[in-house]
Amino acid sequence: AQSVTQPDIHITVSEGASLELRCNYSYGATPYLFWYVQSPGQGLQLLLKYFSGDTLVQGIKGFEAEFKRSQSSFNLRKPSVHWSDAAEYFCAVGQGAQKLVFGQGTRLTINP
Amino acid sequence: GAVVSQHPSWVICKSGTSVKIECRSLDFQATTMFWYRQFPKQSLMLMATSNEGSKATYEQGVEKDKFLINHASLTLSTLTVTSAHPEDSSFYICSARVSGGGPYGYTFGSGTRLTVV
Repeated sequence: AQSVTQPDIHITVSEGASLELRCNYSYGATPYLFWYVQSPGQGLQLLLKYFSGDTLVQGIKGFEAEFKRSQSSFNLRKPSVHWSDAAEYFCAVGQGAQKLVFGQGTRLTINP
Repeated sequence: GAVVSQHPSWVICKSGTSVKIECRSLDFQATTMFWYRQFPKQSLMLMATSNEGSKATYEQGVEKDKFLINHASLTLSTLTVTSAHPEDSSFYICSARVSGGGPYGYTFGSGTRLTVV
């Protein structure tokens, strides 16, 4: 079965610093990969997704992610974070029958 | 864009009572809806998948008699937590598959915080 691992439970960065959130997946075929963001008490918002093609995917809010098949990774990056980026971030992989399997999430804290 | 309205956003109920959570697709028809449960500081766990007009498919370990899902129309799906107990306290989120939205084209509701006292 597919699985997603986000090794970092909590990350703190300073405002204006660069960010990388890690995501590793386990999947036999070419995966459908996603990054979602969740603000406290809110639902999930899609940041970006990868299905095929260019392995560097651009998303909303200045985020990007790179699919690396050799490392089974789909890390999320942002060159300069803003205080409003503080939230919970979830990596997910699409499973058969259109299901999403989510990672454990990474909580991002921004220091002023 | 596609919007899913989830109501209520929070609810407190007494142990033993039932609570209904609604998810409505406002500007599209949702043939498939997913219901998730999220414990504090944890990930989303899929509870069940509902298709309009048919019985929901529950994930392993989810009690279908306790978490009743109804998807009677293309714009409304409901989750009823029956005979709620404190251990049912959680954050419940629905998501709807957007027709024409491509593979895994989902829109999520804003969630419902259920507290059972």
